Amino acid sequence: QSALIQPRSVSGSPGQSVTISCIGTSSDVGGYNYVSWYQQHPGKAPKFMIYDVNKRPSGVPDRFSGSKSGNTASLIISGLQAEDEADYYCFSYAGSYTYVFGTGTTVTVL
Amino acid sequence: QVTLKESGPALVKPTQTLTLTCTFSGFSLTTVGTRLSWIRQPPGKALEWLARIDWDDDKFYSTSLKTRLTMSKDTSKNQVVLTMTNMDPVDTATYYCARMHSSGWSLEFWGQGILVIVSS
Repeated sequence: QSALIQPRSVSGSPGQSVTISCIGTSSDVGGYNYVSWYQQHPGKAPKFMIYDVNKRPSGVPDRFSGSKSGNTASLIISGLQAEDEADYYCFSYAGSYTYVFGTGTTVTVL
Repeated sequence: QVTLKESGPALVKPTQTLTLTCTFSGFSLTTVGTRLSWIRQPPGKALEWLARIDWDDDKFYSTSLKTRLTMSKDTSKNQVVLTMTNMDPVDTATYYCARMHSSGWSLEFWGQGILVIVSS
């Protein structure tokens, strides 16, 4: 199972929006609406941010949203804030009760 | 309040078997629909999903590692155990356990992780 492809890094100024792509195949991202996203600050465990493509868990700011088109999922961070600077990973069901993560994206707030 | 905590050795030698325990609270693995996964992250690298165990004792493993992995549960102790055989330096990583979301397809609550170094 190959990792989902994410850009190595994205950046934006406070208040701007950034989009992180997550490219998979029809066997994972494209085949199921089971993409989730995680935020990870240095030295910390990942935090659950988005599930089932576009659902937000309780407590996650509505600045974070998700979408999917074909084999590509996206995480959009609107109104970028300093505390959003972190690594972000997508995660998808890949069939046959297996899962796959993305390669990870570092978000930098300029 | 859901909490999970990984425990085990910080250092193992190559070819040895790693045994990690995930001790949790705030939920029961006997509840229908409850699922736990293990994930690892080599230093400076991406996350990798390893395995999943369900309330009904179904178990599922990463295709690339399934010959080396075994999961088990002890519901009386609220623990899940992961064993990985034939450890190699490339298996050096932080290992996390996580409870999956009720929908079954995402990782809702995570432990703090445990760094395991494989070195002679």
